[in-house]
Amino acid sequence: IVMTQSPATLSVFPGEGATLSCRASQSVGTNLAWYQHQPGQAPRLLIYAASTRATGIPARFSGSGSGTEFTLTISSLQSEDFAVYYCQQYDNWPHEYTFGQGTKLEIK
Amino acid sequence: DVHLLESGGGFVQPGGSLRLSCSASKFTFNSYAMNWVRQTPGKGLEWVSAISGDGGHTYYGDSVKGRFTISRDNSKNTLFLHMNNLRAEDTAVYFCAKGQGAATRYFDDWGQGTLVTVSS
Repeated sequence: IVMTQSPATLSVFPGEGATLSCRASQSVGTNLAWYQHQPGQAPRLLIYAASTRATGIPARFSGSGSGTEFTLTISSLQSEDFAVYYCQQYDNWPHEYTFGQGTKLEIK
Repeated sequence: DVHLLESGGGFVQPGGSLRLSCSASKFTFNSYAMNWVRQTPGKGLEWVSAISGDGGHTYYGDSVKGRFTISRDNSKNTLFLHMNNLRAEDTAVYFCAKGQGAATRYFDDWGQGTLVTVSS
């Protein structure tokens, strides 16, 4: 299963919202997770099961979608939110896990 | 908080071998599947391998099957990745990642990674 994220780079002013997209080459149901990755740090799980926030994740992060189309929405961007975001499907666990190529969220 | 610390990365020539380790703490290690995920230079993330909590089941991505072996020592809370016949395209930061349960669906905690460089 190929995961395609768009856009590759998104420039947003702090305080504004951002919408990131992820498309699967075939249906993965709601077997989808989102991660945040700051350079040089450990990636951080944000969302699993397409829309469930992981422990400790602020409410400004929300996920939606099912099948082949998914969205990560971040409302009111904070400085610490500028990072690279990856989606990951796990529909064929434990045999296959694939990530999108990432969306870099940068400060405008 | 869960703590995962990778080690063992370094510089190796093509065809060489390397063993990565991941020391785990602050959770019941043998109750969780563990994984290796890598990030190649300028590219995204690629799942490499997974192992069940008891070590009895292992899984590999197609690009490393037959060359890499995942294992764990539950008495020492340590995960390993034995890498043989390394290629230039194996150059990456390798992350240790904890599965969310006895079998992995997603990765709920990660280490900071260790860099492996394969070059002549």
